Amino acid sequence: AQKVTQAQTEISVVEKEDVTLDCVYETRDTTYYLFWYKQPPSGELVFLIRRNSFDEQNEISGRYSWNFQKSTSSFNFTITASQVVDSAVYFCALSEAWSNTGKLIFGQGTTLQVKP
Amino acid sequence: GAVVSQHPSRVICKSGTSVKIECRSLDFQATTMFWYRQFPKKSLMLMATSNEGSKATYEQGVEKDKFLINHASLTLSTLTVTSAHPEDSSFYICSARAPHLAGGGDTQYFGPGTRLTVL
Repeated sequence: AQKVTQAQTEISVVEKEDVTLDCVYETRDTTYYLFWYKQPPSGELVFLIRRNSFDEQNEISGRYSWNFQKSTSSFNFTITASQVVDSAVYFCALSEAWSNTGKLIFGQGTTLQVKP
Repeated sequence: GAVVSQHPSRVICKSGTSVKIECRSLDFQATTMFWYRQFPKKSLMLMATSNEGSKATYEQGVEKDKFLINHASLTLSTLTVTSAHPEDSSFYICSARAPHLAGGGDTQYFGPGTRLTVL
């Protein structure tokens, strides 16, 4: 069955610290997509990244980086030099290509608090 | 690009009334939209998948007669909570699937959400 696990419920760091949010997924499909979304206190989910199952290259975007490892079914997200504005709930999600429904399977989310 | 709006952002209504929530994709056409419900400090729960010009597909356990979904055009889907009760109070979020924008074939872009409070 498909499943996304974000084992860290809450993380608290001090500004400028680096922080890694873990995401582990389960799927029987060979073609799938992985996503990270950010939900700030305002409530709107902001798309951060989409990764195709065939593309295991890590990605860096500014202070954000993502480490995709199929061998461990993980898609971890690292924020370097965290800032207060990074405080939010972060969701990892999985979409399977075979169904073509585009449905997302979300993890439970990790609440990140960055203290000044 | 990839902007999704929702209206209203917040609504308070009396028990027994119906409430309509609109979801619009502002700068792209969305053949598929999704409706989610989110409880405090919880993840998103998919309620239904809305396809333009056809009936919505509801997830197991979601009452289709209670949560009416209409996807009348490629840019608009509506969710009507009929005969709302206090237990329907929640944060409702829509998303639109954007096959041709940056982010890839299956990226969903989300609206800002609607906070429904039923008294």
